Amino acid sequence: EAQVTQNPRYLITVTGKKLTVTCSQNMNHEYMSWYRQDPGLGLRQIYYSMNVEVTDKGDVPEGYKVSRKEKRNFPLILESPSPNQTSLYFCASSLRREGGNIQYFGAGTRLSVL
Amino acid sequence: TQLLEQSPQFLSIQEGENLTVYCNSSSVFSSLQWYRQEPGEGPVLLVTVVTGGEVKKLKRLTFQFGDARKDSSLHITAAQPGDTGLYLCAGKLETSYDKVIFGPGTSLSVIP
Repeated sequence: EAQVTQNPRYLITVTGKKLTVTCSQNMNHEYMSWYRQDPGLGLRQIYYSMNVEVTDKGDVPEGYKVSRKEKRNFPLILESPSPNQTSLYFCASSLRREGGNIQYFGAGTRLSVL
Repeated sequence: TQLLEQSPQFLSIQEGENLTVYCNSSSVFSSLQWYRQEPGEGPVLLVTVVTGGEVKKLKRLTFQFGDARKDSSLHITAAQPGDTGLYLCAGKLETSYDKVIFGPGTSLSVIP
């Protein structure tokens, strides 16, 4: 079954304690993204990757890092989380298609930073 | 400032009613997508429209892309409780290769 898997689904942490949210896709997609979803703001792109070892900032990259060492994995790293990073996070991978890519989303990670 | 605006923000209707939600921008998009997101899940793509004036139907859902490719609408006929969810529009700017911009969403609740 084609899927994007994120872990953990829920995470409560404290300010300053480094954390990693993992993302894995089994569809051999080249393009992957991380988004955060906040009420009234929709999905905002944090970082994206067009292929292995190719990553770039999205609209809200401050306080986040990513890596793409393998095609299937795209972890999101918060080196020193702060309360304003409390949010719902989604990883997505994209199938490139003429007329518009299809993004497949994970089930989300709800993060609370105390 | 949102590049994509959606209205209404919230909508609660009775089963069997019709409804329309809107997605508007001052920017031109090369394509526009609609996603539905259910609680506890990620968004799922419903449709992509690419041509100004294009109309696509998906069972009881009708999607239209504006002639100028700046806006879109989603019309649901005879809404069912299973239609409940957050409807997100996402536009790909003409200058963008892969990136899409999401609107804030319309939260729809269909009451049995």
